Amino acid sequence: QVTLKESGPALVKATQTLTLTCTVSGFSLSSSGTRVNWIRQPPSKALEWLARIDWDDDKFYSTSLRTRLTISKDTSKNQVVLTMTNMDPVDTATYYCARDIVGPTAIDSWGQGALVTVSS
Amino acid sequence: EIVLTQSPGTLSLSPGERGTLSCRASQSVSSSYLAWYQQKPGQAPRLFIYAASSRVTGIPDRFNGSGSGTDFSLTISRLEPEDFAVYYCQQYGSAPLTFGGGTKVEIK
Repeated sequence: QVTLKESGPALVKATQTLTLTCTVSGFSLSSSGTRVNWIRQPPSKALEWLARIDWDDDKFYSTSLRTRLTISKDTSKNQVVLTMTNMDPVDTATYYCARDIVGPTAIDSWGQGALVTVSS
Repeated sequence: EIVLTQSPGTLSLSPGERGTLSCRASQSVSSSYLAWYQQKPGQAPRLFIYAASSRVTGIPDRFNGSGSGTDFSLTISRLEPEDFAVYYCQQYGSAPLTFGGGTKVEIK
């Protein structure tokens, strides 16, 4: 059974750096074709894709946030880490990690999400 | 970056009615890699349709996706009470991936 779970601080202060961890089970981060995405959703707003890391360590970022984001993985720990610098109250959102596989099947497994509130 | 525009923003329908949701892309979506997700309050999104028209196993056949290039749609043939939710389209044919702004299907 594929599962993903986000963890990290529920509250951060403006200008701080946010570090979120996605711990996965039921699949390997090194399996050919495996990709893990980070997606966020501000309260009552739309989904926003942030970043993706592939099985071969290729990395992709949102155009508007690329200067603030870093994605990495630790295959031995089954974890994907996202850091976002210079946090602002507008970054308050539920942050999801989610898996997809190379090919037509899209993002088929999502974590439960982690709400991060940024205080001023 | 491909921008996805969903319309309408809100669709007010009664159970049993037919609903059509639109998703328009600013440029052609590679390989028709266009997905539809359903999201209910307090829950993570759930994949319903991938590759524009392929239904995920277990999704009722009243949900149908269609389209190619820049114009896509999701049709719900007869709305059931559990179908009232927000629906998002997403393109995953080229990075950066992008989502549409969502269509809320509400009970009239």
